[in-house]
Amino acid sequence: SQQGEEDPQALSIQEGENATMNCSYKTSINNLQWYRQNSGRGLVHLILIRSNEREKHSGRLRVTLDTSKKSSSLLITASRAADTASYFCATVDNTDKLIFGTGTRLQVFP
Amino acid sequence: KAGVTQTPRYLIKTRGQQVTLSCSPISGHRSVSWYQQTPGQGLQFLFEYFSETQRNKGNFPGRFSGRQFSNSRSEMNVSTLELGDSALYLCASSLVGTLQETQYFGPGTRLLVL
Repeated sequence: SQQGEEDPQALSIQEGENATMNCSYKTSINNLQWYRQNSGRGLVHLILIRSNEREKHSGRLRVTLDTSKKSSSLLITASRAADTASYFCATVDNTDKLIFGTGTRLQVFP
Repeated sequence: KAGVTQTPRYLIKTRGQQVTLSCSPISGHRSVSWYQQTPGQGLQFLFEYFSETQRNKGNFPGRFSGRQFSNSRSEMNVSTLELGDSALYLCASSLVGTLQETQYFGPGTRLLVL
């Protein structure tokens, strides 16, 4: 499969805790994107990090990128119940297709 | 601006039938891409259209086809439906016209094949 891998597959935390999910990909990239999906609905773009960036912040989100290890991580700080969703990383492979990771299901308990 | 819209939202078909799904991108977006999401295979790239031309196609059989119209609206068609085609079909549009940048997704069409 060309899909990237994400871990953990599922994560359960309490409100206020931080959530970290990791993504590994297979080909060299220009950018890496993170998306959120609520319960079988459409995906919402969260953040894009370029290959020449190592870290990027957006509100409570922090993304890191290590191109030497072909990996990225998404940190959500001070999680809220509304953060409950599936999170996917996505990259464009060397055949110009957008490839998604397997996803991490995050459950935040009030 | 209105977001990406997909119709219908839900669809039930039987094996052997065909189905057409529609996607209207955000106004001004010329790139539309399609994805299939299943519990077993996850999110998989189907195809991408830009200015009425298919630029790329994923590893799906020829039963899956699509097109894009001059107003950037896109349709995808699946002929001779199989049970395994049951999935959430998502389309996305982008302003810049490359999959490298932010994609704006519609709510999806959930297809059930019986």
